[in-house]
Amino acid sequence: AQSVTQPDIHITVSEGASLELRCNYSYGATPYLFWYVQSPGQGLQLLLKYFSGDTLVQGIKGFEAEFKRSQSSFNLRKPSVHWSDAAEYFCAVGAMEYGNKLVFGAGTILRVKS
Amino acid sequence: DAEITQSPRHKITETGRQVTLACHQTWNHNNMFWYRQDLGHGLRLIHYSYGVQDTNKGEVSDGYSVSRSNTEDLPLTLESAASSQTSVYFCASSARTGGTGELFFGEGSRLTVL
Repeated sequence: AQSVTQPDIHITVSEGASLELRCNYSYGATPYLFWYVQSPGQGLQLLLKYFSGDTLVQGIKGFEAEFKRSQSSFNLRKPSVHWSDAAEYFCAVGAMEYGNKLVFGAGTILRVKS
Repeated sequence: DAEITQSPRHKITETGRQVTLACHQTWNHNNMFWYRQDLGHGLRLIHYSYGVQDTNKGEVSDGYSVSRSNTEDLPLTLESAASSQTSVYFCASSARTGGTGELFFGEGSRLTVL
């Protein structure tokens, strides 16, 4: 069965520091990959997505992610974190043969210290 | 603007009562989904629908049901609420068929079962 692992439950970074959130997936096919962000009390907002083509994808709010098939990873990065980036981040994976369903990781809570 | 709305946003009920959470989308999307969010588990799929009169079980469907009588609505019913169903529930929709498309989320419904 497909699965998504986000190894870090909590991450704390200083404002202005770089950020990398890890995501590993287990799929038997070419995956579609997503990162979503959830602010407290809110729904989920799409940051970026990968379907095919260039393995480095750019998203909103200055985020980017790189698909590495050999490592089954899709890590999210940001060169300089802002206090407003504090939120929970979810990696999600889908595949055509699994229909339109996405499988989500457990999430990583990002804290930003000033 | 198109949107997806959930109601109620907050609900407190008692064990054994029937509860229905509403989800209404104006995207005209064929695909609709219900997820529950619990700490440490991320989002888990409860039920989903690919169109009118179509419903399917997700990974945590026991104790829940859905019906799809039109494109816009997918209500989620808890037949006999249990304390284990205390959670935050998210409705989502997507447009693409034959593959995995971006999910658009509602703002969530927080359900407490006492």
